[in-house]
Amino acid sequence: DTAVSQTPKYLVTQMGNDKSIKCEQNLGHDTMYWYKQDSKKFLKIMFSYNNKELIINETVPNRFSPKSPDKAHLNLHINSLELGDSAVYFCASSQGLAVYEQFFGPGTRLTVL
Amino acid sequence: AQTVTQSQPEMSVQEAETVTLSCTYDTSESDYYLFWYKQPPSRQMILVIRQEAYKQQNATENRFSVNFQKAAKSFSLKISDSQLGDAAMYFCVLLSSNTGKLIFGQGTTLQVKP
Repeated sequence: DTAVSQTPKYLVTQMGNDKSIKCEQNLGHDTMYWYKQDSKKFLKIMFSYNNKELIINETVPNRFSPKSPDKAHLNLHINSLELGDSAVYFCASSQGLAVYEQFFGPGTRLTVL
Repeated sequence: AQTVTQSQPEMSVQEAETVTLSCTYDTSESDYYLFWYKQPPSRQMILVIRQEAYKQQNATENRFSVNFQKAAKSFSLKISDSQLGDAAMYFCVLLSSNTGKLIFGQGTTLQVKP
């Protein structure tokens, strides 16, 4: 059974489009995250939700909007996609905030043309 | 600001040999956690080993062990008896206990030669 899953795994789209990436975890964790990995493989946190409440909101353009319908899901919606948004986006979850290791999904490679 | 630095962009080891990956970090917090994550070509991020800052004893997981030097803010990973499956990018990661943020190093790509 997949612990943290993301859909889709690959996403190719045109500039200006709106797209969503979905994330689900079946670990019973309270906290979920979105990370962005750029072309140089550098990973940086974007958002974190704890029990459906936004906890971490890094300096991310407001074209990016996370939504957590319940503890097991954290989706990422991106409006007006730009070339610079091309990256791999990882969802992760942990049992709690600040103490436990995070479990990562397989990543979604987003390519904006 | 909290930072993690991995000064070795690439490392190479012969199969069955031992290799050490370096990492230094900077934080003003007294309570934090350190991890090594592995990212093989499949892209999946896999936890290798974890160290609590309050523990003096170095963590060990089978062939993987760390050398945690808190005063020097150093956290190196030693891989013994290297296997072809160890080939991957390795990230040194700091978990801030105040914010819950994971702060990643730049990564070290490990090549294992048969």
